Amino acid sequence: DGGITQSPKYLFRKEGQNVTLSCEQNLNHDAMYWYRQDPGQGLRLIYYSQIVNDFQKGDIAEGYSVSREKKESFPLTVTSAQKNPTAFYLCASSIARSNVKNIQYFGAGTRLSVL
Amino acid sequence: SQQGEEDPQALSIQEGENATMNCSYKTSINNLQWYRQNSGRGLVHLILIRSNEREKHSGRLRVTLDTSKKSSSLLITASRAADTASYFCATGPNYGGSQGNLIFGKGTKLSVKP
Repeated sequence: DGGITQSPKYLFRKEGQNVTLSCEQNLNHDAMYWYRQDPGQGLRLIYYSQIVNDFQKGDIAEGYSVSREKKESFPLTVTSAQKNPTAFYLCASSIARSNVKNIQYFGAGTRLSVL
Repeated sequence: SQQGEEDPQALSIQEGENATMNCSYKTSINNLQWYRQNSGRGLVHLILIRSNEREKHSGRLRVTLDTSKKSSSLLITASRAADTASYFCATGPNYGGSQGNLIFGKGTKLSVKP
């Protein structure tokens, strides 16, 4: 059963704590993405990776960090420097970034709240 | 920065009616895509139209693209209650031959009443 798996579904962060959101894909896609979605809003790009061991900042990278040590995995860490982390986080992947290979496949999302 | 902007922000119709959503964008594109999001879930890709295409169909979906007006429309015919969701357009910008990441609009929230 191919797809993208995000975990956990719900996550609570305490003040000053770093938390890590998991994203795993078995679609053999090269490109992976992290988005943040606030209520009633569109998706804003946090980080993206075109290939293993490479990643680039998106539009709102401050307060977040990522790694891409394996093709299948692209975890996102929300650091204590992110002062307003409450949002719905979506991970996606695509065959590549360019042309028609940029159709994105999404996970079910992680809802992060601050305690 | 937001490239695609959907219109209207919200749309409420009766089952069986057609639903039309519009998307406007600002820069040159390689392709334009439409996605659907059920409440609290991830997005699902619906259809992709390339910049050199004017119209595309998939089942009850019809997408048009007018690159001169930098706009696209998504038509859902004979809507069903199960079509209730938010619909997003996403543009694949073309920066002088180099393609950037997809840019998503804020979406149209469609409600189909039984």
